Amino acid sequence: DAKTTQPTSMDCAEGRAANLPCNHSTISGNEYVYWYRQIHSQGPQYIIHGLKNNETNEMASLIITEDRKSSTLILPHATLRDTAVYYCIVSGVEIIFGKGTRLHILP
Amino acid sequence: NAGVTQTPKFRILKIGQSMTLQCAQDMNHNYMYWYRQDPGMGLKLIYYSVGAGITDKGEVPNGYNVSRSTTEDFPLRLELAAPSQTSVYFCASSYASSEYNEQFFGPGTRLTVL
Repeated sequence: DAKTTQPTSMDCAEGRAANLPCNHSTISGNEYVYWYRQIHSQGPQYIIHGLKNNETNEMASLIITEDRKSSTLILPHATLRDTAVYYCIVSGVEIIFGKGTRLHILP
Repeated sequence: NAGVTQTPKFRILKIGQSMTLQCAQDMNHNYMYWYRQDPGMGLKLIYYSVGAGITDKGEVPNGYNVSRSTTEDFPLRLELAAPSQTSVYFCASSYASSEYNEQFFGPGTRLTVL
C-alpha cells in the first residue's frame, strides 16, 4: 500500500497558487518525499523531491513540516497546462504510487 | 538521448496468448521498473530491477515475468493473457542512490485482452 494520503481532487483558479497537501505520517528518517504528475494518459513526470528542508525549482516549491509527517506542493501560478493528477510518494527502492490528487485548473 | 522507449504502443491480445512488452533506456540508469495503470487508478508496481541480472517482485507480479540481461533493456513477458491484464503498462528507469531516485517514464503500452 502507498505510504501517503492525498485528497482525491482539488480545484484552483488560473493564475493563483495551487497548494496540494500530502500526509505521510509513517515516513522513516532516511526516506525522501517525491512529487510526480501525470497529464492525461502520459507517463508520470518528476516535479520535485525533498528530505526535510523546503525545496524550490523552476516548476514548484515543496514545503515539508518539521516532523516530516506531511508536505505541501505549491505551484505558484497555476495555468491550464497544470491540469493533471499529482502523486506524492515516499521513496525507497520500490516506489509505490497511490491514487493521487486530480487538480483542475479553472479558467 | 531517446530516454525511455516502449514498444509496441498498442496491442490487442486474445485470451491465452503471450507477448513481450519491450522497454529500453539509453541513460545508463541502474534501476528499471514496470508499472500497470488501470482506468482511473494509480500506478501499480509489477517488477523492478536494481541492475543487470537482478529482478524483484513488486505489488502485482502474478501473470508476468521479467529479465534484465543488459543495463539498457527490461522486457516484460505476459504468459497466458487474461482480460484482467487489460491496462496501460509504463516502464521507468532511474539512476538511484540511497538519497536520490528520480524516475523517468516511457510513453506506455496500451494492452487490451479480449
